[in-house]
Amino acid sequence: GESVGLHLPTLSVQEGDNSIINCAYSNSASDYFIWYKQESGKGPQFIIDIRSNMDKRQGQRVTVLLNKTVKHLSLQIAATQPGDSAVYFCAEKAAGNKLTFGGGTRVLVKP
Amino acid sequence: DGGITQSPKYLFRKEGQNVTLSCEQNLNHDAMYWYRQDPGQGLRLIYYSQIVNDFQKGDIAEGYSVSREKKESFPLTVTSAQKNPTAFYLCASSAEPALNTEAFFGQGTRLTVV
Repeated sequence: GESVGLHLPTLSVQEGDNSIINCAYSNSASDYFIWYKQESGKGPQFIIDIRSNMDKRQGQRVTVLLNKTVKHLSLQIAATQPGDSAVYFCAEKAAGNKLTFGGGTRVLVKP
Repeated sequence: DGGITQSPKYLFRKEGQNVTLSCEQNLNHDAMYWYRQDPGQGLRLIYYSQIVNDFQKGDIAEGYSVSREKKESFPLTVTSAQKNPTAFYLCASSAEPALNTEAFFGQGTRLTVV
């Protein structure tokens, strides 16, 4: 579940495996999407972004997929490392520059 | 270095008092945002501003107020009308809306009501 107000879902992954984090966004008019990583007690850090005219974008060890038909966004992390343990949020930007966040997923990397 | 600075890092407030959280950026960004984060939960938008002297309510604006008199500053006041103000507050900024670029975050202010 991605609703605000619920405690974060957790994804446990073995070190070296690939991780897939999912996000359902709410506004069909959103035209820009961002994935952030947040470590405990810190502000979110940018990972990767994608515009609505794309369906896939790759970065270093990360790939974002966008499915506008079902309003779904995913983040794939290749060869997950202990330093990837954090909370991951998706964000969507709609008209008027309003930037809103999904509920987040906690990723725990097991050695 | 360019960046976004929030102060203080920790803040304690007595019930019934207003308190102002500072957010300053030297990135020359037009847009600024305030979010609230409760333990184990996501970020909820309080207020945002696209340009100087303009701001809009987010999803949970009740009990909060902001001002945007200067491009680099977007202070948030938590008023006594906010019934449950204890939370982690995050400020962010991004370049002009048409560019669709990511928002950069400060390191947050943890507010505790005592």
